[in-house]
Amino acid sequence: EAGVAQSPRYKIIEKRQSVAFWCNPISGHATLYWYQQILGQGPKLLIQFQNNGVVDDSQLPKDRFSAERLKGVDSTLKIQPAKLEDSAVYLCASSSSGRGLADPRGYFGPGTRLTVL
Amino acid sequence: GNSVTQMEGPVTLSEEAFLTINCTYTATGYPSLFWYVQYPGEGLQLLLKATKADDKGSNKGFEATYRKETTSFHLEKGSVQVSDSAVYFCALKMNTGFQKLVFGTGTRLLVSP
Repeated sequence: EAGVAQSPRYKIIEKRQSVAFWCNPISGHATLYWYQQILGQGPKLLIQFQNNGVVDDSQLPKDRFSAERLKGVDSTLKIQPAKLEDSAVYLCASSSSGRGLADPRGYFGPGTRLTVL
Repeated sequence: GNSVTQMEGPVTLSEEAFLTINCTYTATGYPSLFWYVQYPGEGLQLLLKATKADDKGSNKGFEATYRKETTSFHLEKGSVQVSDSAVYFCALKMNTGFQKLVFGTGTRLLVSP
């Protein structure tokens, strides 16, 4: 089966600009996650969707970050306006089971590396 | 809150050497524990897991044992290969509700021929 697809793979912007990332999960996976991985740190969950509903967005900086999952399939994550500290790799993941990513059927995409200058 | 602490890298080994990457955790209650691996240019992959004390997870020659008494889940492999070069993440997840994965900072392993 095809893996989780993300685009773009790399993005360089200046602070205060806007940026959007796209994720296409594995077909049939109901749960979709966005993680932020800052250099030297482990991934941190930003938002979790179950179909097109939000399950957990407690660590999403809602003043500048937004995410949506249209029709319970693809998802976009937006940052507006970007800050220097948003430089990170943004990982999308999806899973089919109730145990989520803590299960061999949970998969991560390759990530989008964002550099904010 | 819940957290995971990993040894800092990089860990540099020669092929066929023995590998240990230390991981300890802090949690209220008894979490499930995981090791993920990230090969260059690829996404994170679940390597192995253990869901209760004294369980041993294993995969691809890697092993880790859930030690409640020392709150540890150290990753080991008897003989590493160049292809094992990657970043390894230890993680935990509580076993109730929609509990998120909490990751350590990752340990880079470099294996030379």
